[in-house]
Formats: sequence, structure tokens, C-alpha cells
Amino acid sequence: AQSVSQHNHHVILSEAASLELGCNYSYGGTVNLFWYVQYPGQHLQLLLKYFSGDPLVKGIKGFEAEFIKSKFSFNLRKPSVQWSDTAEYFCAVNSYFGGYNKLIFGAGTRLAVHP
Amino acid sequence: KAGVTQTPRYLIKTRGQQVTLSCSPISGHRSVSWYQQTPGQGLQFLFEYFSETQRNKGNFPGRFSGRQFSNSRSEMNVSTLELGDSALYLCASSGRTRGTTDTQYFGPGTRLTVL
Repeated sequence: AQSVSQHNHHVILSEAASLELGCNYSYGGTVNLFWYVQYPGQHLQLLLKYFSGDPLVKGIKGFEAEFIKSKFSFNLRKPSVQWSDTAEYFCAVNSYFGGYNKLIFGAGTRLAVHP
Repeated sequence: KAGVTQTPRYLIKTRGQQVTLSCSPISGHRSVSWYQQTPGQGLQFLFEYFSETQRNKGNFPGRFSGRQFSNSRSEMNVSTLELGDSALYLCASSGRTRGTTDTQYFGPGTRLTVL
């Protein structure tokens, strides 16, 4: 069965620190990859997505992610975090084998940024 | 452009009752997916509808069902509620074209509490 693994469940950083959140998935075929963010009290919002093309994708609020097919990874990065980045981050995979529009989510990473 | 809307936002029920949740997708979207979010299990796929047809179903008991109307609005129903059904139920819309995967946009969710 498909699965998505997020390596860190809780991350605590100070403002201006760099961020990298790991995401690995288990499926060898064609995949679409997503990072969603859930700010406290708000709904899931799309940060960025990869469908095809350049494996380095840029999203909103200065986030970027790199798709490395050989490592089945799609890690999220931000060079300098802000207090407002405090949220829960979810990696998700949608595979053609799994069927259309069926997202498999990782367990999420809670990020706390201290001023 | 209006986003995905879900009603009601909060719901309290007792064990054994049934509940119906509603989702209105983004205008023009034809695919509606439902997810259950709990602290223990994370985000889990329930089912997906496209043009009034269920295309995918997750690993949930038959007490969980759904439907989609001709205007793409969707409802999900949970019968014989159990305490473990307490969760945030999220609806996501996507897909203007049959046979493609697309980005899913999430609504704010319905918080269901079963007492």
C-alpha cells in the first residue's frame, strides 16, 4: 500500500533559522506531490505542488521543495522562518495507480517558531 | 472566487445517532473528496465523487456513505455514530476534467463531536 512518511513530528526553531522538513513516499510510479499547511484555527492550504517538469518547485511565502525521484523524497525548505510560519505541515501524494484525487497524507509536522 | 464551503461547522451528536454533512465545491469543480482528520490517525481518505459517481473509497465501514448532486454539491452521512467518529471532516474540491488528477482545495471542515 502507498504510504507517506514525514520524519519529524515536532520541530522547534528560532526566527531566521532555516527549515527543512523531510517527506518520503512509497510508490514507484507516476505521482503528484503536495505540501499543505494548516495554521492554528485555519483550514488546510496548499503551499506548493509538483506534477512534472523542474523538480525544484517554489510555493507561497518563500517555501520551496525538491522532488528527488531516486530517493522517493519531496522535502520542504525555507531559508529563514518567521514566527508566522508556526503551523502544521502535511506532505501528500496522489498517484495515478491509487486513483484520481485520492491523497495519501503523512502524519504531519508541527512547527513552532519562537521569536 | 468563493472557496469550498462546509456546513455545519460544528456538530454535537450522541452515540447511535446519524449525521449528514454538506460540502459546496469551488464553482466549476466537479470532483469532491472527503477526509477524516483525527489526532491519532491523521488525515484519512474517505471517498471521492466526480459527476455524481463515486470513483474512490477509503477503508471506512459502510456506516460512512456519501453522494453528489448534479450541481456538484456533496453530502456525507454517518449512521449509528460511535465515539471514535469524533473528528474533523474535511471536504476538498478539484478537477474540471474527467480522467485527470488535479490540485485539491480544502474547506474549513465540520468538527463532529460524538458524546
